[in-house]
Amino acid sequence: GDSVTQMEGPVTLSEEAFLTINCTYTATGYPSLFWYVQYPGEGLQLLLKATKADDKGSNKGFEATYRKETTSFHLEKGSVQVSDSAVYFCAPGIIKAAGNKLTFGGGTRVLVKP
Amino acid sequence: GAGVSQSPSNKVTEKGKDVELRCDPISGHTALYWYRQSLGQGLEFLIYFQGNSAPDKSGLPSDRFSAERTGGSVSTLTIQRTQQEDSAVYLCASSQKWADTQYFGPGTRLTVL
Repeated sequence: GDSVTQMEGPVTLSEEAFLTINCTYTATGYPSLFWYVQYPGEGLQLLLKATKADDKGSNKGFEATYRKETTSFHLEKGSVQVSDSAVYFCAPGIIKAAGNKLTFGGGTRVLVKP
Repeated sequence: GAGVSQSPSNKVTEKGKDVELRCDPISGHTALYWYRQSLGQGLEFLIYFQGNSAPDKSGLPSDRFSAERTGGSVSTLTIQRTQQEDSAVYLCASSQKWADTQYFGPGTRLTVL
């Protein structure tokens, strides 16, 4: 069935390193794609989104491009900071499967060391 | 206005008891979602409400789980005869429209002893 596959963590990086978190999905026709972030001790919040194919979402130095041809929405940041330590979740707007379930990726924990 | 609020923030209960979890969405948001996040796990979709339509209950893990949304606003998730495997953080989110950006509440941490 339709699904979202997200890179497993934890990912441990040093400050100023380049970060990529892969996210792919197996369905088509998503109206939007999202990345959410959960900082330690805080609730889930939107990081960025893209509303159609080839759109690029960006926020706080993070970027992700909606690649319909590769069904991917990889998250990237060129130079991470300690404050970027968090769990990142990839989410399509809709999974067009039975019941139109909403599915999040499994989450990727990122730890940035000074 | 205010964000999504949930109550209680923590709930400890004994196995076999019923619990009710409450969610107050952002005013004007037509869609409301419930998720479950177990320790170290991802998000498990439970149920959503869209406007006045019947809720999609396909994600509910068993018939012990039910939810309602009164007046298109406040929602209550009820778990009957709780089991230890129900222990998790229950998250509520709302969005202006279906599948749009979701705004999450702080969650209710449920512990079943």
